[in-house]
Amino acid sequence: RKEVEQDPGPFNVPEGATVAFNCTYSNSASQSFFWYRQDCRKEPKLLMSVYSSGNEDGRFTAQLNRASQYISLLIRDSKLSDSATYLCVVKGHAGKSTFGDGTTLTVKP
Amino acid sequence: SAVISQKPSRDICQRGTSLTIQCQVDSQVTMMFWYRQQPGQSLTLIATANQGSEATYESGFVIDKFPISRPNLTFSTLTVSNMSPEDSSIYLCSVGTLAGGRSYEQYFGPGTRLTVT
Repeated sequence: RKEVEQDPGPFNVPEGATVAFNCTYSNSASQSFFWYRQDCRKEPKLLMSVYSSGNEDGRFTAQLNRASQYISLLIRDSKLSDSATYLCVVKGHAGKSTFGDGTTLTVKP
Repeated sequence: SAVISQKPSRDICQRGTSLTIQCQVDSQVTMMFWYRQQPGQSLTLIATANQGSEATYESGFVIDKFPISRPNLTFSTLTVSNMSPEDSSIYLCSVGTLAGGRSYEQYFGPGTRLTVT
């Protein structure tokens, strides 16, 4: 079993749709959680950190469920520019980050 | 966030040769890492570059193949030695910083796209 698992997708949604990605992790001692966005042939860029209390940044909402060991990312009112691969990242005690394989989103007009 | 640059941005190399990739950060950072991302796959950590001491390698990666230098808190190099076509990949430098004291965040350089023929 992978340490960090994501539904690879692809998710194909129309503009304006709401889409949710889930990610599960196996190490219950994991400390920090993040969502990254990676555009084709570009480096990953930090989208948002994920806190236990949940956090929101505009159209993006991230939530963490430690008991069930999963993280979610909700995108509301999807834009064409949201098309990308979204990477779930989990960091443990030793400071090592483990990346999921990513979920590909395509937003269509 | 930190601004990270890498050189070269891409290269095509012959098998058996070596390539050194440079990573420069615009501020002093404690943590620097080197990742590899093969086409269609996620990122794999090669090693943590430690300032003033030997890098810490992940399983499957060894110093002889991927020697790393970190002479100071803003600069690191990764060498891909004795290259084979299987080394064709994107190599990414990454740094870790504390964001407002609340959480540790990681940023990536633009990557070096390596093709070995």
